[in-house]
Amino acid sequence: DSGVTQTPKHLITATGQRVTLRCSPRSGDLSVYWYQQSLDQGLQFLIQYYNGEERAKGNILERFSAQQFPDLHSELNLSSLELGDSALYFCASSRIGGGSTEAFFGQGTRLTVV
Amino acid sequence: AQSVTQLDSHVSVSEGTPVLLRCNYSSSYSPSLFWYVQHPNKGLQLLLKYTSAATLVKGINGFEAEFKKSETSFHLTKPSAHMSDAAEYFCVVSDGSGGYQKVTFGTGTKLQVIP
Repeated sequence: DSGVTQTPKHLITATGQRVTLRCSPRSGDLSVYWYQQSLDQGLQFLIQYYNGEERAKGNILERFSAQQFPDLHSELNLSSLELGDSALYFCASSRIGGGSTEAFFGQGTRLTVV
Repeated sequence: AQSVTQLDSHVSVSEGTPVLLRCNYSSSYSPSLFWYVQHPNKGLQLLLKYTSAATLVKGINGFEAEFKKSETSFHLTKPSAHMSDAAEYFCVVSDGSGGYQKVTFGTGTKLQVIP
């Protein structure tokens, strides 16, 4: 158990809908990362938050947004969902967030868009 | 620019034989390098990391990796494969400081262990 909790584990929704994925980082970790893992694109870094502020952005679509709350949990919002958004979404956390800091991953949320 | 290339998408070895998973990277800065493992239907677990200390890094479950700056490589090895090693392995490059971090994952190598 990595200590990172993601909910829900599975989500099935229709195209055009909006969903929210939730992540609780390990106790004491200030940095949260979101990743998307799909069969065709592999593991893609989406976005990083550090102590409530956005710190790095990867291949995140404009339809997606995220935030980190004062209690350090994070939410990833996906809107106007398309079939291609079906993927495994991982959250990871780390103590600080610098380049040498390893991240601990949650078990992921499997999103299926039908 | 930052990139990671995992040279093999699939590797198949017999149980008890050595494992070699290859990774090449590029980074504009002095990077940190990681190997993660993902078992089926599981999250990613850190195997080992290199952060500019010793070039030979030992990780969990008998894995180790050697950082070779001249070859820009960070290959993962294990002397003797076990059935439980069957999984997907990701090489990761990371650079940044002060809370800023750019991370790139390789495309993954699926390791099959044959009994």
